[in-house]
Amino acid sequence: GAVVSQHPSRVICKSGTSVKIECRSLDFQATTMFWYRQFPKQSLMLMATSNEGSKATYEQGVEKDKFLINHASLTLSTLTVTSAHPEDSSFYICSASRAGEDTDTQYFGPGTRLTVL
Amino acid sequence: AQTVTQSQPEMSVQEAETVTLSCTYDTSESDYYLFWYKQPPSRQMILVIRQEAYKQQNATENRFSVNFQKAAKSFSLKISDSQLGDAAMYFCAYRGGSNYKLTFGKGTLLTVNP
Repeated sequence: GAVVSQHPSRVICKSGTSVKIECRSLDFQATTMFWYRQFPKQSLMLMATSNEGSKATYEQGVEKDKFLINHASLTLSTLTVTSAHPEDSSFYICSASRAGEDTDTQYFGPGTRLTVL
Repeated sequence: AQTVTQSQPEMSVQEAETVTLSCTYDTSESDYYLFWYKQPPSRQMILVIRQEAYKQQNATENRFSVNFQKAAKSFSLKISDSQLGDAAMYFCAYRGGSNYKLTFGKGTLLTVNP
């Protein structure tokens, strides 16, 4: 149990376009979902926290108008990178906490590699 | 703010041997959770083990065990009978009792030699 999926796994886009990444909890309801960014050979950097039906909470330095997060249901959160630029190229990972049991634990998706040309 | 320190950027171990990865953290909270996650080359983050701070007993999961020293704020991971599939980046993470956020260490890259 506690499987999280992400789609797409890889995406290449042109500068100036927008890209949407989906994060789904497949076998549980997620009270909270998280979006991280990871640069090569570095640790995970939290970008934002989202709860179903409410606005996301962004970390300091993360542009909320550039990284739009929608947590539409207890099993789906989306991250949209708007007007993407080459510096947005990175590995994006989502995670989710289960409702009820072990809410303290985050389960991670497989990540999405974004390349902006 | 909480900080998590992994002082070993890289470690190596022979197959079937035992290795210990270190992690220390800084917090003023009394209620919190600690985790070890593994990130293999596929980059999928996999939960290895978790520890509740209020529990004195060290957590174990098969070949993985922790040495949790609350007073010293230390949380090391011991991997017994190391296998080639254990090769990965290992991240130590902290979560406060009242805050959902995870604070990660910088990671330790573990190599397993056949």
